[in-house]
Amino acid sequence: SAVISQKPSRDICQRGTSLTIQCQVDSQVTMMFWYRQQPGQSLTLIATANQGSEATYESGFVIDKFPISRPNLTFSTLTVSNMSPEDSSIYLCSVVETGEKLFFGSGTQLSVL
Amino acid sequence: GENVEQHPSTLSVQEGDSAVIKCTYSDSASNYFPWYKQELGKRPQLIIDIRSNVGEKKDQRIAVTLNKTAKHFSLHITETQPEDSAVYFCAALGGGSYIPTFGRGTSLIVHP
Repeated sequence: SAVISQKPSRDICQRGTSLTIQCQVDSQVTMMFWYRQQPGQSLTLIATANQGSEATYESGFVIDKFPISRPNLTFSTLTVSNMSPEDSSIYLCSVVETGEKLFFGSGTQLSVL
Repeated sequence: GENVEQHPSTLSVQEGDSAVIKCTYSDSASNYFPWYKQELGKRPQLIIDIRSNVGEKKDQRIAVTLNKTAKHFSLHITETQPEDSAVYFCAALGGGSYIPTFGRGTSLIVHP
């Protein structure tokens, strides 16, 4: 499977600031997604990162809060804007390979104080 | 949309015992059912999957069964080992979607 790297792996941020998470894949992929995993919870889809166009957001997530870029088929960024403690979560990028198989990036552990 | 229920939320077993985690889904169009294992502090990893044209699939100590009529599928782990301790997520997708619906997860604890 593709190697999916995220940076940073973890960060501690102050309330009201923004953090940009990078996701790099070692091969070109069509389908790329961003997930959030709150402590002890399941995986919640934030948005589909579309190459060359605006991301498609799931209910409850908006572009102003979670802007996403996807300049090419190997890279994407997710920004968590104007952070509050409720944004403390693991953020995961993921890609689809070989039909329907979904693989996850290394994850970013975010803590907001 | 699809709804996936997963049970139990926590499962505690002794090393060497078997563990079974069950999931049900609602959308009869779903045709692909992956299982993920997430160890503490790590990413979810795909461990086994099954498509709707297959009733059972095995990979060493793990197996997955699917009952399309009843819309449920299960993960079976035999001869459990402490390193099997993790959170397991089931998922379902299909009907032309590439976005899986995940269950809430099962925390499996294997006691040595």
